[in-house]
Amino acid sequence: DTAVSQTPKYLVTQMGNDKSIKCEQNLGHDTMYWYKQDSKKFLKIMFSYNNKELIINETVPNRFSPKSPDKAHLNLHINSLELGDSAVYFCASSPARLNTEAFFGQGTRLTVV
Amino acid sequence: AQKVTQAQTEISVVEKEDVTLDCVYETRDTTYYLFWYKQPPSGELVFLIRRNSFDEQNEISGRYSWNFQKSTSSFNFTITASQVVDSAVYFCALSGGQWKAAGNKLTFGGGTRVLVKP
Repeated sequence: DTAVSQTPKYLVTQMGNDKSIKCEQNLGHDTMYWYKQDSKKFLKIMFSYNNKELIINETVPNRFSPKSPDKAHLNLHINSLELGDSAVYFCASSPARLNTEAFFGQGTRLTVV
Repeated sequence: AQKVTQAQTEISVVEKEDVTLDCVYETRDTTYYLFWYKQPPSGELVFLIRRNSFDEQNEISGRYSWNFQKSTSSFNFTITASQVVDSAVYFCALSGGQWKAAGNKLTFGGGTRVLVKP
C-alpha cells in the first residue's frame, strides 16, 4: 500500500481553470502538508494541517485553498490558474509535534498552458 | 528565520569516486532537526536521515555517512564509492521552532544534483 498517495500525477490545464489535487495518507499521521517545487527544484512549504486545523499558511495566494475533511486527507484546490502556478506539488505527512521526518507523496506535476 | 544553503548546485563524478555534499544552516532555535532527502529522476522524495541538534555524533549507513558540526552549522553528506544509481538531487532540510508557528515544517536547501557517470 502506498503511504502517501496523490492524484492525479500529471495535470495539464488552461489558464483560468479551477483544479484540485487530492492527497491521502494511511500512516495514521496527524499532520499533513503541501509543498511546491518550482522549475529550479526549489521546495517550499505552502500549508500544514494538524487534525484538520490549519497550522501554517505561508503567504500563498488565496486562489489556493486547502481542505482537510479528516486527518487522513488533505486536498488542494486552485482557482483561476495562472502560468506561474506550473510546478510540482507534493503532499506529505508526519506524526504531530515530534519533528520526525515527513513522508512525501509522489508529486503532482501541474502544467498551466 | 530559518535558512538552509547548499552551495553546490551540481557535482559530477565517475563511478566509485566519493562525493561530499555540503549543507550549511541558520536558525535561532536551540532545538532543531536536520534532514537529508534524495530525489531520483523518477521525482519522488526519499527520506535518508534525521538528526537532532543535541546529537553531534557522525552516522554511517552503508555507503552513506553524515558529519554534523554544530560549531560551523553544517550537516554534510558523503557518498562513498558512488554508483550510477546514486544519481539524483539531494536536499538538506531543517525543522524546529514553536509548534504553532512552525508546525514541523521543513525548510529546504536548494538541492545539489549529483551525476554519477559509469
